[in-house]
Amino acid sequence: QVQLQESGPGLLKPSETLSLTCTVSGGSINSYYWSWIRQPPGKGLEWIGYISYSGNTNFLPSLKSRLNISLDTSNNQFSLILTSITAADTAVYYCARGGFRRRFDVWGQGTLITVSS
Amino acid sequence: DIVMTQSPDSLAVSLGERATISCKSSQSVLYSPNNKNYLAWHQQKPGQPPKLLIYWASTRESGVPDRFSGSGSGTDFTLTITSLQAEDVAVYYCQQYYTTLPTFGQGTTVEIK
Repeated sequence: QVQLQESGPGLLKPSETLSLTCTVSGGSINSYYWSWIRQPPGKGLEWIGYISYSGNTNFLPSLKSRLNISLDTSNNQFSLILTSITAADTAVYYCARGGFRRRFDVWGQGTLITVSS
Repeated sequence: DIVMTQSPDSLAVSLGERATISCKSSQSVLYSPNNKNYLAWHQQKPGQPPKLLIYWASTRESGVPDRFSGSGSGTDFTLTITSLQAEDVAVYYCQQYYTTLPTFGQGTTVEIK
């Protein structure tokens, strides 16, 4: 059974860079799409980007200039980098298996990222 | 982008009664070559991550109780919970995975009346 686990800093200051990693266990990272989805406190779900097994990426247009997602097949992980963060980036960040024409069928537990000075 | 709109935003249903949630997409999510609707429903209980309930608009994920069913095609979809149980209290989201920009509905909160 595939499981996902996010890891990240928890608290960051405005203008800093957010770095999150999702570790995939119980299965291979190959042959799937992998996404990051976030949820601001008390609000709905927002997909922000995905990476395919071949390394192709796609991002939410409003975040495209600040966001990157990469794949580490040797460690069965994928990562998110979000630069120049602001309070508006405060959210629970989930990693999930799925993306373009692939359903989100496995979700991580989520990690709360708070941006505050 | 495809905009997903759910209705209602919230509903209260008595235990054992039926709950029905509507989801409309601003464009069709039906892919004609395989006749599949790229529409999923997710359930999110308080303090938990979302969980996939339904995909291809009407296929239940493994382990999902058969009181959950999905229907619809093109731009109009429905999630039905027959005989609501206490453990079904949650927010339900529809989501399209047809385009390169997956999008979610705003969510529908289901409570016990």
